[in-house]
Amino acid sequence: TQLLEQSPQFLSIQEGENLTVYCNSSSVFSSLQWYRQEPGEGPVLLVTVVTGGEVKKLKRLTFQFGDARKDSSLHITAAQPGDTGLYLCAGPYGNNRLAFGKGNQVVVIP
Amino acid sequence: NAGVMQNPRHLVRRRGQEARLRCSPMKGHSHVYWYRQLPEEGLKFMVYLQKENIIDESGMPKERFSAEFPKEGPSILRIQQVVRGDSAAYFCASSPPGNQPQHFGDGTRLSIL
Repeated sequence: TQLLEQSPQFLSIQEGENLTVYCNSSSVFSSLQWYRQEPGEGPVLLVTVVTGGEVKKLKRLTFQFGDARKDSSLHITAAQPGDTGLYLCAGPYGNNRLAFGKGNQVVVIP
Repeated sequence: NAGVMQNPRHLVRRRGQEARLRCSPMKGHSHVYWYRQLPEEGLKFMVYLQKENIIDESGMPKERFSAEFPKEGPSILRIQQVVRGDSAAYFCASSPPGNQPQHFGDGTRLSIL
């Protein structure tokens, strides 16, 4: 059973376009983290959202935590080829374990 | 991923051999976590350790797998009598005490011949 469902699984867009990917759960999380993973590397932490309704910005990336703390979205404005990667959402459960979604694979075409 | 060091980056073993994966946490981090990533699947929690203590090993197979984080030196994930199904990327993460974000190493890619 997957605690966190990410959609779409794969997204390909042209440079300069905007995109939004989603992370959903039926469970409430105390926080959610977004990571980006490149091939052959480990996940790199982008942001942690903690408060329901919270919005955090990281340059052209906007992260939102749902009011009920069950879901989150990542919006990228004017996507660049350097934004290509696997975006993972993760939430803590139990003894500080992290549950991960399967990821949103984003490809930005120059 | 500067800070969390994993080695080796790639490890090839034949069926029945032992695999030892090492992880040095970031400076100041006393909590270590191991995750496994299979193709087309997300990262799955295996074990959570503090120095000289296993806190949670609920995600680790009961047989052949063990983990330690000694007082001195890196954390070790040990897989005995490896089988083809053990082929995966194994990631280590570390965090400071408390419910803090985890930072990941670049993983060890284990291939079983």
